[in-house]
This record gives sequence, C-alpha cells and structure tokens, in this order.
Amino acid sequence: GNSVTQMEGPVTLSEEAFLTINCTYTATGYPSLFWYVQYPGEGLQLLLKATKADDKGSNKGFEATYRKETTSFHLEKGSVQVSDSAVYFCALLNTNAGKSTFGDGTTLTVKP
Amino acid sequence: DGGITQSPKYLFRKEGQNVTLSCEQNLNHDAMYWYRQDPGQGLRLIYYSQIVNDFQKGDIAEGYSVSREKKESFPLTVTSAQKNPTAFYLCASSPGQNSYNEQFFGPGTRLTVL
Repeated sequence: GNSVTQMEGPVTLSEEAFLTINCTYTATGYPSLFWYVQYPGEGLQLLLKATKADDKGSNKGFEATYRKETTSFHLEKGSVQVSDSAVYFCALLNTNAGKSTFGDGTTLTVKP
Repeated sequence: DGGITQSPKYLFRKEGQNVTLSCEQNLNHDAMYWYRQDPGQGLRLIYYSQIVNDFQKGDIAEGYSVSREKKESFPLTVTSAQKNPTAFYLCASSPGQNSYNEQFFGPGTRLTVL
C-alpha cells in the first residue's frame, strides 16, 4: 500500500536558519507529491507540489524535488521567518487509490 | 469567492447525542473528503466521495455516517456510537481522480463532547 514517512518533530529554529524537513514515501506506480501547511486552528493549504520524477515544486521560498531513486520529497527553505511557524504535511496521491496519503506532520517553530 | 465552508467553527455536544457537521464547496469539485485530526496528530480519513450519491469508508469510519445528495455538499454525522468524538474535523475537496489534483481544505470544525 501507500505510505508517507516524515521527519519527526518538533523542529525549532532561529530566524534566518536553513530548514530541511525530510519526507520519504512508498507507493506503486507514479504518484504526485505534495507539501501542505497548517497554521494554528486552521485547515491545510497547499504549499507546493510535483507531479513527476525530477520535478521541483516551489512557493514562498520553499522548495522540494521529486526524487524517484530515493523515493523522497524533502522540504527546504534557505532562510526561515517567524511567520513560517506551522505544521507541515507531506502527502502523495495515486490515481488508483482515489485518495491522498498524508504523513503525520512536522511542527516547525521559528524563534526571533 | 470560491472555496470550502464548514460550520460551525466550534461545536459542543452531550454524550449520547448525534451531531451533524456541515461542509459546502462552490468549486465545482467532484471529490470530497472528511478527516479527523487529534492534537499533535496527523490526518485520518473518515469517509470520501468521488461522485454524487456514492461514497466509501476511509480508515476510521466506525461511528460516523455521511451522505452526498448534492455535488456541493457532504455532511458528516457523528453518531453516539463513536466512542471518542472530541477532535478537529476537516473537510476537503478536489476536482476528481486525476493524480495531479491537490486537495482544498475547509477551516475545520472543533467538536467537543461534554
């Protein structure tokens, strides 16, 4: 079956530090990969996505590259801000399944 | 302004009572989903529907029921059979089964059983 494994949190960084949140997946076929962000008390919103191998998704300074050889989709940002504090979810979608599979989420706290 | 609305934002219920959570979307999406989120936890899929008048159980369907009579609406009923219903409930939609499509989430309903 499909599964997503995320780096365990919580992650605490100082402002302007480099961020990496690891995500690896198991899936049959060629899934699409997503990163979602959830701010306190809100629903999830799409941060970025990649639909095929070697694609790079990017948004708001965040990036992730779809690596089929390592089945990974790690999230990176060069310089985090306090406003990036949130929970980040990695997810995959296989057309066959008709539904997404989410990781457990990683809580990021950025301190001034 | 297109999007997904969930109501109410906060809901309180006494033990033994059924309660229905509303989810409406005006995005013309075919697929809709209900998730449960417990504090510090990930998302768990309760039910999903890929077309009107059809829905499938997710990973934790026991104690919940849904209907999909209209494309834009996918209400969730939390029944008295759900042993631990206090949680944050999220509704989502997507255009369909195409693998490129992300999900769009509502703001959530926080249910507390007293």
